[in-house]
Amino acid sequence: QVQLVESGGGLVKPGGSLRLSCAASGFTFSDYYMSWIRQAPGKGLEWVSYISSSGSTIYYADSVKGRFTISRDNAKNSLYLQMNSLRAEDTAVYYCAREGGYNSHFDYWGQGTLVTVSS
Amino acid sequence: QSALTQPASVSGSPGQSITISCTGTSSDVGGYNYVSWYQQHPGKAPKLMIYDVSNRPSGVSNRFSGSKSGNTASLTISGLQAEDEADYYCSSYTSSSGWVFGGGTKLTVL
Repeated sequence: QVQLVESGGGLVKPGGSLRLSCAASGFTFSDYYMSWIRQAPGKGLEWVSYISSSGSTIYYADSVKGRFTISRDNAKNSLYLQMNSLRAEDTAVYYCAREGGYNSHFDYWGQGTLVTVSS
Repeated sequence: QSALTQPASVSGSPGQSITISCTGTSSDVGGYNYVSWYQQHPGKAPKLMIYDVSNRPSGVSNRFSGSKSGNTASLTISGLQAEDEADYYCSSYTSSSGWVFGGGTKLTVL
């Protein structure tokens, strides 16, 4: 069965960095586009970043452009999010999600990893 | 990119039907048939309920249906059950090469 398991969250000071990982299993990872989506405590969902199956196409939300970098290693079935210059407003649960169709929907989600940015 | 507009809350009694609206613009909801809906129970990850406006993934009850007219999409849940109580989010692909979500709707089953 499809599984997505995020890791790497934690407490970090404003201006700091953190790298999130998402380990995928149960499907051919290299065939699928992937995204990171976050949810601030008590708030709604916010799409963060997307990467195509080969890694050749990448998109970012304006709120993280220039600070976050998405990448993937198809040989390791893994997705990553490098987060730099973190701000308090980046505090959220970060989910990795598989895109189920071209530009369409997210059909599988991980359980999420909490990132807290606070001094 | 502004969030799609959803009502903050809706409620209904068991067995009744409810509809949640999701209003965007011609740059997202109105411009693409890529509207999806997600159900989220407290402390859990979102679950896909409807994709491409009106398609149901395998395993999702046929009590859930979706539609779209112009810049507004809708999720209808018929025959409300206690386990339907959750937060619901709509989402659409956008012309800005990304996705936008609605603010979420809390469904209460009375």
